[in-house]
This record gives sequence, structure tokens and C-alpha cells, in this order.
Amino acid sequence: GDSVTQMEGPVTLSEEAFLTINCTYTATGYPSLFWYVQYPGEGLQLLLKATKADDKGSNKGFEATYRKETTSFHLEKGSVQVSDSAVYFCALSEPSTNAGKSTFGDGTTLTVKP
Amino acid sequence: NAGVTQTPKFQVLKTGQSMTLQCAQDMNHEYMSWYRQDPGMGLRLIHYSVGAGITDQGEVPNGYNVSRSTTEDFPLRLLSAAPSQTSVYFCASNAGQATSDEQYFGPGTRLTVT
Repeated sequence: GDSVTQMEGPVTLSEEAFLTINCTYTATGYPSLFWYVQYPGEGLQLLLKATKADDKGSNKGFEATYRKETTSFHLEKGSVQVSDSAVYFCALSEPSTNAGKSTFGDGTTLTVKP
Repeated sequence: NAGVTQTPKFQVLKTGQSMTLQCAQDMNHEYMSWYRQDPGMGLRLIHYSVGAGITDQGEVPNGYNVSRSTTEDFPLRLLSAAPSQTSVYFCASNAGQATSDEQYFGPGTRLTVT
């Protein structure tokens, strides 16, 4: 079945540091890939997505590129801010088969210190 | 446009009690899902629905029932609460294949079973 493995946390960085959170996946078909962010006390919200190989998703300075050859979708940001402190989830769905379901990684907690 | 709403936000139950977690969406989405979030375990799918009158089991369905009488509503019932059901519960909806299965999440219900 489908699975998502993401970098274990927690991750602690200083403001303006470079961020990478690794994510790899296993899927039977051609999935869409997502990064969701969860701020304290809130639900998950979409950060960015990519629907096919070599697509790059980007939003709020975050980027991730869909790499089919390495089955990866690593999240990067060049200069993190304190407000980026949150839990980040990598996820996939297979639109042709999954009836609206998604498979999530375990989440990576990011703390950014001033 | 409220998106996905969930009630209550917090609930404490005694072992053996039953209750219903409410979920509603106003985006006319066909697909709806319930997930539970536990520390270090990401999100696990409990039940999902591909339309009114159609539901199916996810990864961890035991102890939970669902029904989908309308497109808008997807309540989750705990039949006889157990301490193992202490968790944060998220309802999600998505429009389906045409939009690459991006999930829209509610704010969550934090449930404690004593």
C-alpha cells in the first residue's frame, strides 16, 4: 500500500536559517504530493502541492519538487522565521483510485528561535 | 463560506459513554473523511465517504460508526468510549479527482476518555 516517510523531528533552527525536511513516498500509481502545515491548536492547512513529476510547488517562501526517480518531495525554505514554527506533514493521494483519501507522514515539528 | 466546521472543540467522556462528533462542510464536496491524530503517529484514517449514502472503513475503524445522509454532514459516533480513543479528531473534505485531492480540514475535536 501507499506510505509516506518523513524526517523525524523535532527540528530547532535559528531565525534566517535554511530549512530542509525530507519526505519520501511509496505509491502504486502516480500520486499527487502535498505538504500541510499545522499551527498550534489548529487543523491542517495546505502549504503546497505538486501533481506530476518535476513539478515544483511553492508558497510563502517554501518549495518542494516532485522527484519521481528518487520518490521524494523534500520541503525547503531559504530563511525561516519564528512564525514558521509549526508541525509539517508530507502527504500523498492517488486521484484515480483513492476516493478522496490521503496518506500522511508522521509529521515534523519545527521550532524557530529568534 | 465557513469551510469545514467541527463541534465540539473539546470533550471529556467516561469509559463506556457514547457521543457524536459533528462535521459539516459548505463547499459541496463529494468526499469526506475522519482522521485521528496521535503523537508520533501522524494522521490515521478512521472512515471515509465518497458521497451521500456511501461510507467505508479506513485504517482504524473499530469503535466508530459513521453515516452520510447529506452531502454536507458526516458525523462520527463513538459507540462505547475507551481510553484508547483519547485523541484529536479531524474531519476533512475534498472535491475529488478534478482538483488533485487537496484536503480541507476542520479545526479538530480534542477528546479525552477517562
